[in-house]
Amino acid sequence: QKEVEQDPGPLSVPEGAIVSLNCTYSNSAFQYFMWYRQYSRKGPELLMYTYSSGNKEDGRFTAQVDKSSKYISLFIRDSQPSDSATYLCAMSKRGPGTYKYIFGTGTRLKVLA
Amino acid sequence: DAGVTQSPTHLIKTRGQQVTLRCSPKSGHDTVSWYQQALGQGPQFIFQYYEEEERQRGNFPDRFSGHQFPNYSSELNVNALLLGDSALYLCASSFIGEAFFGQGTRLTVV
Repeated sequence: QKEVEQDPGPLSVPEGAIVSLNCTYSNSAFQYFMWYRQYSRKGPELLMYTYSSGNKEDGRFTAQVDKSSKYISLFIRDSQPSDSATYLCAMSKRGPGTYKYIFGTGTRLKVLA
Repeated sequence: DAGVTQSPTHLIKTRGQQVTLRCSPKSGHDTVSWYQQALGQGPQFIFQYYEEEERQRGNFPDRFSGHQFPNYSSELNVNALLLGDSALYLCASSFIGEAFFGQGTRLTVV
């Protein structure tokens, strides 16, 4: 069993839809949770970073962490064709950037105009 | 701020050869991590350098080695290349906070 599970998709939605992306994990030691966006043949771009449980909002993006269920989510409101990319969740046991990240496989999202 | 820069962007090597990839961290960052991303997969942690020493290492063979210089830049070396080493190699830099990634080096082994 992988430490982090993520549905690879692809997920296709119409422009303007609310998108829900999810990851589950098995290791309760994870404390830091990140979402990255990766365009084809590019490096991952940090979208959201959350410590422990709770919600965090930034513009059209909302990240949720439920440590009791070992489940994290990223919501994208008013999705745009430019949001079409692969979304990677990542987790770390200690301070982000000071300890290794464990990534999901990524979910491919396509927003149709 | 130029962000994290990696070189070269692409390269093609023959099986059995050796390769060196380079990374310059984001300004103010002192920690560099390397990841391997196979096609259709998430990045896999190779190792992390801090204060010129390898601080953590993932499940990669000794053929993968690295170095960090006093200016915090870093190199990843891979010896005796295998076809399975073909991947996007990502460098990430950080300073206490979250890590920022470069654009990667796409290595193709033929």
